Amino acid sequence: KNEVEQSPQNLTAQEGEFITINCSYSVGISALHWLQQHPGGGIVSLFMLSSGKKKHGRLIATINIQEKHSSLHITASHPRDSAVYICAVRPSGGGADGLTFGKGTHLIIQP
Amino acid sequence: KAGVTQTPRYLIKTRGQQVTLSCSPISGHRSVSWYQQTPGQGLQFLFEYFSETQRNKGNFPGRFSGRQFSNSRSEMNVSTLELGDSALYLCASSRSSPGLGANVLTFGAGSRLTVL
Repeated sequence: KNEVEQSPQNLTAQEGEFITINCSYSVGISALHWLQQHPGGGIVSLFMLSSGKKKHGRLIATINIQEKHSSLHITASHPRDSAVYICAVRPSGGGADGLTFGKGTHLIIQP
Repeated sequence: KAGVTQTPRYLIKTRGQQVTLSCSPISGHRSVSWYQQTPGQGLQFLFEYFSETQRNKGNFPGRFSGRQFSNSRSEMNVSTLELGDSALYLCASSRSSPGLGANVLTFGAGSRLTVL
């Protein structure tokens, strides 16, 4: 069974701090997604990774396929970064499985 | 360009009724996937369609069904509603077949269903 574990579950930090959210999964994957969800429900796709590292503005996502682990980093965090960050993976092998999601990390950035 | 449109945004039903939710993908996107989000279970995959064919299905009872039309619009239906079906139902669209793996998803705002 494919499982996705995120840590920490909750994180409160001060504005300007460097933030790291971790995601570990149990099966081989073809892709890993990092999603952001603000209060009210809307989900935005931040990154889709199958290897290496991606950067977009203050956000950086990395993945280590051998260790089945990914991290999402936020540099110079800002209160508007406060949201739930969700990791999701798609198993590889061409099977009939859709995305499996982590429980999410609730991030609060205080001014 | 227009995003993913879900209708209705909010609805209230009673136990035993059925509900149909609609999802219009981004123009040119041929893959639509559906998800259920609840406080207890988080996000769970329901099903995925590409070119009018169901490609993947999550672990939900047969009361949950869906379809995709030739214009890529998709609907999902839940019959014989139960209290536990109260949730936010999200759809997402992407350009390519789900099996390719490397598909960026664009989510709709969701349909919030309350079952009384």
